[in-house]
Amino acid sequence: EPEVTQTPSHQVTQMGQEVILRCVPISNHLYFYWYRQILGQKVEFLVSFYNNEISEKSEIFDDQFSVERPDGSNFTLKIRSTKLEDSAMYFCASRTGLVNTEAFFGQGTRLTVV
Amino acid sequence: LAKTTQPISMDSYEGQEVNITCSHNNIATNDYITWYQQFPSQGPRFIIQGYKTKVTNEVASLFIPADRKSSTLSLPRVSLSDTAVYYCFLSYNTDKLIFGTGTRLQVFP
Repeated sequence: EPEVTQTPSHQVTQMGQEVILRCVPISNHLYFYWYRQILGQKVEFLVSFYNNEISEKSEIFDDQFSVERPDGSNFTLKIRSTKLEDSAMYFCASRTGLVNTEAFFGQGTRLTVV
Repeated sequence: LAKTTQPISMDSYEGQEVNITCSHNNIATNDYITWYQQFPSQGPRFIIQGYKTKVTNEVASLFIPADRKSSTLSLPRVSLSDTAVYYCFLSYNTDKLIFGTGTRLQVFP
């Protein structure tokens, strides 16, 4: 079964440092997403990406966040200057289309900011 | 987006059938009903989707009454490994998934 792959599985970083979370979506998918889940809380939408640009972003996705699809396979989330409250699981997801299509989620990257 | 309501938590024992109901009184004509499952420390995973009546796959069944104002996810003979959070969504042509708190199912031996 095809899967979304995320690396690293766990990242520890110091406050103020930049981190890049990487995702390899399923190859024929066109829509890409980042979500985050703070421990014990809901899964929160961050951003959606289609046709090499952001299609929608949440209030959480402020100027310290950015996304890129630098090549045909990777999809990255960059956090420029991490804060303690950025500690969370970050999930990447992809889907082929919008109409009633399944979203496939990766296993997540656990980001710990110290 | 139409709102869904589901119980915050449910408990069950191994071998029992579990039914989780989701209310969606304002479901739109084009909306499909979709359920996802999330195990602890893992990404959500699609379980099942339906529009009306009954849908069954290898994991679960989804029952949707004629008025479509609610739906019931049925998990037959649950095991400990079915302990997870289950999310109900309405979707037709939606981009992002908006997660609620879901239903936390705890299965006991």
